[in-house]
Amino acid sequence: KQEVTQIPAALSVPEGENLVLNCSFTDSAIYNLQWFRQDPGKGLTSLLLIQSSQREQTSGRLNASLDKSSGRSTLYIAASQPGDSATYLCAVRTGNTGKLIFGQGTTLQVKP
Amino acid sequence: EPEVTQTPSHQVTQMGQEVILRCVPISNHLYFYWYRQILGQKVEFLVSFYNNEISEKSEIFDDQFSVERPDGSNFTLKIRSTKLEDSAMYFCASSFDPYTQYFGPGTRLTVL
Repeated sequence: KQEVTQIPAALSVPEGENLVLNCSFTDSAIYNLQWFRQDPGKGLTSLLLIQSSQREQTSGRLNASLDKSSGRSTLYIAASQPGDSATYLCAVRTGNTGKLIFGQGTTLQVKP
Repeated sequence: EPEVTQTPSHQVTQMGQEVILRCVPISNHLYFYWYRQILGQKVEFLVSFYNNEISEKSEIFDDQFSVERPDGSNFTLKIRSTKLEDSAMYFCASSFDPYTQYFGPGTRLTVL
C-alpha cells in the first residue's frame, strides 16, 4: 500500500532564506508526483507536476525534483517571502484512475 | 481561466441527516473525483468517476456515500445519514485525463 510522508511537519524561516521540503513514498510505481499549496481553510493550488520519467520541474522560485527509484521528491523554494507561508502538500498518482495519495503536508512560516 | 466550483462553501447539518455536496467541473473534463480532509489530517481520496460510473473508490466510500452526474454538468456527492466523523472539508476535482487534476475550493461540512 502506497504511503506518502513529508518531513518536516512544520518549518519556520526568516525571509530570504532558501529552503527544501521533503517528500518520500513507499512504492516507486507512480505515474507522477504533484506538489500543492494549501492556505488555511482553503482549497488546493497545484504548484508543480513531475512525470515519472522526469527528474525535475521548475516554476519561478520553485524547483521540484524526483528520484523515483529511491522514492523521494524535494521542493526547493528560493529566496522565501512571507507570502510563501502556507502548507505544502506532496501527492503521488498511481494507477490509471487518477487517484492521488497525499502526504500530511509541511506547514511553512516565513517571518519578515 | 476555467475553474472547478463547489456549493455550498459551508454546510451545517444534524447527525443522521442526508446531505448533497455539489460540484461543477470544468466543462470539457471527463474524469471527476471527490476527496476529503478531516481537520488536521491528510487529504484522502474518496472516489473517482469516469464514463458515468465509479472507476475506483476507497474504503471510506461505503454504502452511505454515493456520487452522481445528474445533468452532464454537475457532479454530486451524497451522504445518506451523516455521522459526526463525516465532518471534514470535501474537495471536488476534475480533469481531461487521469494524469492531472484541478481542485475546487472545497465545502466544509459540519455535522452536529
